Amino acid sequence: DAGVTQSPTHLIKTRGQHVTLRCSPISGHKSVSWYQQVLGQGPQFIFQYYEKEERGRGNFPDRFSARQFPNYSSELNVNALLLGDSALYLCASSPAYTEAFFGQGTRLTVV
Amino acid sequence: DQQVKQNSPSLSVQEGRISILNCDYTNSMFDYFLWYKKYPAEGPTFLISISSIKDKNEDGRFTVFLNKSAKHLSLHIVPSQPGDSAVYFCAASRGPRDNDMRFGAGTRLTVKP
Repeated sequence: DAGVTQSPTHLIKTRGQHVTLRCSPISGHKSVSWYQQVLGQGPQFIFQYYEKEERGRGNFPDRFSARQFPNYSSELNVNALLLGDSALYLCASSPAYTEAFFGQGTRLTVV
Repeated sequence: DQQVKQNSPSLSVQEGRISILNCDYTNSMFDYFLWYKKYPAEGPTFLISISSIKDKNEDGRFTVFLNKSAKHLSLHIVPSQPGDSAVYFCAASRGPRDNDMRFGAGTRLTVKP
């Protein structure tokens, strides 16, 4: 079975641009969460979606948004990119009642 | 606010010995705790979890201990193997269905042959 897949794996964007990151959960998993990991720190929670509804939101500005599609895949959008948005963005899926399983992440570099 | 803290950024142990990784938390609403392992260029991999109704959970070489009164948990790896070398993250949430996990900064474990 395929694990959580994220695309793209690496991305370079310019300040002020917009970016869309994509995530496909493990088959059968209805919950998708997004995390940001800055170098030297642990992952920070951004969003959780379950059955296409937002179930939780971390302490991130409104420039960050997400959605979940009927097939449970998800997109994370970041507008007006700042240098500080450079990080590893992790997607995690779960069947909603157990631990989350993470993808490899998307390494975003803002220049 | 750092609700989950891993105060040791690194730990080095000899192969075959015990590795003990520590984690402290401040939010008493947390009642589910997890350990993840992360290799370079990979996402975190789930290792083991514990609910607040227990004080110990064991899975093979890995055991997690929870001391609720001290708001402290630890991960014991016995015996340690070179393949265990990775960054270990402690995480806490308000329940197993709550994926709003708060992570510590991680401890880099090096197991020397």
